Amino acid sequence: EIVLTQSPATLSVSPGESVTLSCTARQSVITNVAWFQQKYGQAPRLLIYGASTRATGVPARFSGSGFGREFTLTISSLQSEDFGVYYCQQYNDWPPMCSFGQGTKLEIK
Amino acid sequence: EVQLVQSGPEVKKPGESLKISCKASGYSFSNFWIGWVRQMPGKGLEWMGIINPGDSFVKYSPSFAGQVTISADTSVTTAHLQWSRLEASDTATYYCARSSDTSGYFSDYWGQGTVVTVSS
Repeated sequence: EIVLTQSPATLSVSPGESVTLSCTARQSVITNVAWFQQKYGQAPRLLIYGASTRATGVPARFSGSGFGREFTLTISSLQSEDFGVYYCQQYNDWPPMCSFGQGTKLEIK
Repeated sequence: EVQLVQSGPEVKKPGESLKISCKASGYSFSNFWIGWVRQMPGKGLEWMGIINPGDSFVKYSPSFAGQVTISADTSVTTAHLQWSRLEASDTATYYCARSSDTSGYFSDYWGQGTVVTVSS
């Protein structure tokens, strides 16, 4: 199982600011990383796949980057609806088993 | 429109059995893997395992092997997750998620979740 470590665990940010979330894999996953947003009581929502491709309908203020073991999700000009918990997922295995990071909670300052 | 609709909340006692479902629609069910994800109260997402509905091949994460059974019925385009003997530690929300088949096998569509409560 490929272990993913996200940092920081919690971020307190004011609306309008920009943030960068990190996800580190214990071994290379090439660009097979997705990012999800989860709000309380809701299912996760796909934001980014292939490390940097935005999913349909995701605003351009969300951007992903990375290759190999190190990945980042940047949210520019945070809006109130962006607060929640963010998870990275790797899907580099075959059969297509996945694993998740432990999550980063984005809070309003 | 792709949809995954899960069965409703369950309240069970320790030692009881349970089977929850994930009804798929809007795509060719046999051609996409479906995974199951556990989220314990206040905790993160845990990948449990995955099934290929086309041939019923299943792979479990080590933590869940022997603890649950994943299955699929193509005649009703439904995936299932079942327990033979529930424990209190199985209390969680369980999500099914379809794995995309373009640009990689990330989870592109999710069910709404099934809340399972196990308590005596």
